[in-house]
Amino acid sequence: KNEVEQSPQNLTAQEGEFITINCSYSVGISALHWLQQHPGGGIVSLFMLSSGKKKHGRLIATINIQEKHSSLHITASHPRDSAVYICAVRSKNTGNQFYFGTGTSLTVIP
Amino acid sequence: DTGVSQDPRHKITKRGQNVTFRCDPISEHNRLYWYRQTLGQGPEFLTYFQNEAQLEKSRLLSDRFSAERPKGSFSTLEIQRTEQGDSAMYLCASIDWQKEDTQYFGPGTRLTVL
Repeated sequence: KNEVEQSPQNLTAQEGEFITINCSYSVGISALHWLQQHPGGGIVSLFMLSSGKKKHGRLIATINIQEKHSSLHITASHPRDSAVYICAVRSKNTGNQFYFGTGTSLTVIP
Repeated sequence: DTGVSQDPRHKITKRGQNVTFRCDPISEHNRLYWYRQTLGQGPEFLTYFQNEAQLEKSRLLSDRFSAERPKGSFSTLEIQRTEQGDSAMYLCASIDWQKEDTQYFGPGTRLTVL
């Protein structure tokens, strides 16, 4: 069983739609990260969360520590948002090791 | 461009050969991570360095893999006697852990073992 599970695995949306990607984890964490990976491999860090909610432009990330769950929301989605979104956690119990989800592949259709 | 560079970007080798990859992190970042990513999967932790010290290594990492960061700046990852199962994208990331937790990823080295 993976320490980090994401859903859905694949998501297709029409431009302008509100999108939610979910992440659940099973280990105690000190931080959770949302990452974006475009075709070709480049990974960009979007958010680092240890509690509450963060907003950056059209992206919103929330975390519920008690429920071990985080969501990434994209408002007014655009084709340039098409990418793989990966949830990663830094475990409290294994030093500074990071565990990654398998990613959610998002395609936004014009 | 995140400021982290990796070389080479692509490597094709025959089974049994040794390969070495290089990562140059952001200069003031003291923590450096190596990951492996296969198609359709998220990155998998391999090892990390705090300055020149290798502090943690995945128990899944074969003895054929070795990593160094001799002066606490760039790092190398060597794979000896490559196998077809080693084919993957090898990613490097760096953090200034005293200031923030954000990882800055390099573009990766794609290894193909024939």
